[in-house]
Amino acid sequence: DIQMTQSPSSLSASVGDRVTITCRASQGISNYLAWFQQKPGKAPKSLIYAASSLQRGVPSKFSGSGSGTDFTLTISSLQPEDFATYYCQQYNSYPLTFGGGTKVDIK
Amino acid sequence: EVQLVESGGGLVKPGGSLRLSCAASGFTFSDAWMTWVRQAPGKGLEWVGRIKSKTYGGTTDYAAPVKGRFTISRDDSKNTLSLQMNNLKTEDTAVYYCTTDVDGALNYWGQGTLVTVSS
Repeated sequence: DIQMTQSPSSLSASVGDRVTITCRASQGISNYLAWFQQKPGKAPKSLIYAASSLQRGVPSKFSGSGSGTDFTLTISSLQPEDFATYYCQQYNSYPLTFGGGTKVDIK
Repeated sequence: EVQLVESGGGLVKPGGSLRLSCAASGFTFSDAWMTWVRQAPGKGLEWVGRIKSKTYGGTTDYAAPVKGRFTISRDDSKNTLSLQMNNLKTEDTAVYYCTTDVDGALNYWGQGTLVTVSS
């Protein structure tokens, strides 16, 4: 199985900050990488697929990059509605696997 | 608009069974591959299993922890996905989500249904 490692596991940031979350795969996954946002008590919401493609309706302050084993999710200017937990997920092969999550909270 | 609505969760004793359903609308369900993902309380996301469309044989794949105990099925005439869970263990306690699956990209999710396995 492909292991996905996210860092950091949590971070504190202020409104307006630029935030970067990293995800590393245990083996190469090309660009088969997605990012999700999850708020407490809610289902995950797909933000990005194919490492850098924004889902329809997702604001452009979210961006993704990377290929192979190393990937990043960047939020250009953090807003109050962005405080949530973010997960990466590989879909290069089954079983699909997720990173452990990064909780972004208010500093 | 794509909608996925799970139902069937509840409290069950260890060793018991439960059947979850997911009602789908807003897309051509019969063409869709579908996946179940679960999330234990306070934990991360875990892939449970997937079913392909009938065009691709309707075959299923499962995560190791549930293989042999869980069965995914679909009723394309009713736009419904099901998850039959047998011999439940306390570690199966989680919110279960159904999702669409486009070559592994999980684009749409239901709101989830909570399964609690406890004596």
